[in-house]
Amino acid sequence: ELKVEQNPLFLSMQEGKNYTIYCNYSTTSDRLYWYRQDPGKSLESLFVLLSNGAVKQEGRLMASLDTKARLSTLHITAAVHDLSATYFCAVDKTSGSRLTFGEGTQLTVNP
Amino acid sequence: GAVVSQHPSRVICKSGTSVKIECRSLDFQATTMFWYRQFPKKSLMLMATSNEGSKATYEQGVEKDKFLINHASLTLSTLTVTSAHPEDSSFYICSARAPLERVWGGYTFGSGTRLTVV
Repeated sequence: ELKVEQNPLFLSMQEGKNYTIYCNYSTTSDRLYWYRQDPGKSLESLFVLLSNGAVKQEGRLMASLDTKARLSTLHITAAVHDLSATYFCAVDKTSGSRLTFGEGTQLTVNP
Repeated sequence: GAVVSQHPSRVICKSGTSVKIECRSLDFQATTMFWYRQFPKKSLMLMATSNEGSKATYEQGVEKDKFLINHASLTLSTLTVTSAHPEDSSFYICSARAPLERVWGGYTFGSGTRLTVV
C-alpha cells in the first residue's frame, strides 16, 4: 500500500522567513504533485514533478523531487501572509491511477 | 484549460433525503473521474473511481448503496448520497485526470460541494 507522509503537519512562521515542507512516500511512483487548499475551497494545483532531480519554481515556492530517497520538498522563500494555506503532496503509483495524499501541512504566516 | 465544474457548491438537506452532486469536465473528455471526501482539517479520502460506461470502483469501507456513482458520458459523473444522515455531512470533491497534451497531465479538481444534513 502506497503511503505518503508530510512533515511538519503544522507550521507557523514569520513573514520574510524561509522554510521547507517535506513529503516522503513509500513506493516507486511516476509522479509527485503539490497542491494548495485555502479554507473552504478545493485544491489548486501548484506543481507536478515527473522525474528524479526535477525542480520547479513559481514565485516564492520551489518544489524538488528525489526519487531515490522517495522524497519531495516544498521550499518557501521569504514567506508572505498570502501563502497561508494547507499544502498537500500527492503521489500516483502509475500514471492515471488513483492519487494518494499526504496528511497536509497547515501553514500560517504571521506578520 | 482542463476545467472541472462541480455543482452544487453548497447543499443543505433533511435527513432521509437524497442529494445528487454533478462533476463535469468542461473542455476535455474524462474516462475516469475520482470522488473524494474531506473532513474538517483532514486530508482527502478517495471514495471511488468513476469509469465511463462501467461500474465505479469503490474503496474499502465505502458503502456502494449509500454513495451511488454514475458516469454516463465522457464529461459527466454524478455522486448521489442516498438517504442522507448527519454523519454524511462533509466536503465532497471530484477530480479528473487532465489529458497529457492539455496541461501537464496533472489532476484537476472541482470546486467541491459542502453537504450539510440536518
